Amino acid sequence: GEDVEQSLFLSVREGDSSVINCTYTDSSSTYLYWYKQEPGAGLQLLTYIFSNMDMKQDQRLTVLLNKKDKHLSLRIADTQTGDSAIYFCAAFGGATNKLIFGTGTLLAVQP
Amino acid sequence: DTEVTQTPKHLVMGMTNKKSLKCEQHMGHRAMYWYKQKAKKPPELMFVYSYEKLSINESVPSRFSPECPNSSLLNLHLHALQPEDSALYLCASSPGATNTGELFFGEGSRLTVL
Repeated sequence: GEDVEQSLFLSVREGDSSVINCTYTDSSSTYLYWYKQEPGAGLQLLTYIFSNMDMKQDQRLTVLLNKKDKHLSLRIADTQTGDSAIYFCAAFGGATNKLIFGTGTLLAVQP
Repeated sequence: DTEVTQTPKHLVMGMTNKKSLKCEQHMGHRAMYWYKQKAKKPPELMFVYSYEKLSINESVPSRFSPECPNSSLLNLHLHALQPEDSALYLCASSPGATNTGELFFGEGSRLTVL
């Protein structure tokens, strides 16, 4: 089945750019998502990209998709302390037709 | 109204208790979900309701019993739980009956089983 992997931890300074990476295994995944979870809260849908796109920009967020390498990244420009959270990559579609979450990346923003 | 509301936010129960978690959305979404999330882990799908009918049960033990009284409400009835069932239980909804992965989550109900 689909396997979605992320690095566990990323630390950046306030004002820098953050890049969170994700790899997935099922090349037939149709939608790829980024969700944010703040401490003690539910998940918030941040952005998504269709599998036939290479890039999507939404204000401070840029999503890049390399379909050949099955690699997805989320760039947050001008990272703020309020961006500190766990970020989950998720892939939908493919063999299971289910949403498969990655392991999550904890982003720590230092003032 | 773009919210998914879950109650209670916190619940402590003994292994012999019966309790329920509730979820409500007024966005007109046609599918509703229950997820279980352990600390530092991604959410795990438990149940999916589509047009008020159970469409997916991820082999969840029968001590968890979902109910969808109408298109806006989703309940999770709990009975004879085990301490390892302690977790954050997340409700979500999606606009279409067919899931595309676009989910709107509630804040969760944190359950502790003693």
